[in-house]
Amino acid sequence: AQSVTQPDIHITVSEGASLELRCNYSYGATPYLFWYVQSPGQGLQLLLKYFSGDTLVQGIKGFEAEFKRSQSSFNLRKPSVHWSDAAEYFCAVAFLNFGNEKLTFGTGTRLTIIP
Amino acid sequence: GAVVSQHPSWVICKSGTSVKIECRSLDFQATTMFWYRQFPKQSLMLMATSNEGSKATYEQGVEKDKFLINHASLTLSTLTVTSAHPEDSSFYICSAETGVGAEAFFGQGTRLTVV
Repeated sequence: AQSVTQPDIHITVSEGASLELRCNYSYGATPYLFWYVQSPGQGLQLLLKYFSGDTLVQGIKGFEAEFKRSQSSFNLRKPSVHWSDAAEYFCAVAFLNFGNEKLTFGTGTRLTIIP
Repeated sequence: GAVVSQHPSWVICKSGTSVKIECRSLDFQATTMFWYRQFPKQSLMLMATSNEGSKATYEQGVEKDKFLINHASLTLSTLTVTSAHPEDSSFYICSAETGVGAEAFFGQGTRLTVV
């Protein structure tokens, strides 16, 4: 069965500092990979996704992620965080199931920004 | 991006009653909608996949008689929690997509509290 691991439950970063959120997956083939952000009490917003092609993916809000097949990883990065980036971040993997995509989410990483 | 609206945003109900949650795609037709459950500080767990005009496909361990899903049109899916109990209290989130490989758009979620 596919699985997604986000090793860091909570990360605290100073405003303006760089950020890297880790994500590892377990799946037999190359999956579709996603990063979502969830603000308190809100639904999820897609930051970026990887299906194929260039392994460095650019997303919204200045985020990027790099797919590394050898490490089964899809880490999310941002060179300089803003206070508004404080939220919960979820990595997700999708595979096709009877014509539908099923998303499997990691447990999430809560990002706190300090001044 | 496309908008998915959930209603209500929060609901409190008495134990033993039923609650209906609506998920609407406001500006696109959703061939597939997904229902997730999120426990506090935990990840999203897929409950079921629904395709317009057909029966929902439930994930293992999800009681289909308790969580009734109806996807009667391309813009509306409903989740009815029947005979709700306090353990059903959770954050329920829907998502909708236009087709396989398309981006999934998430509703803002519904917080259900059963007292």
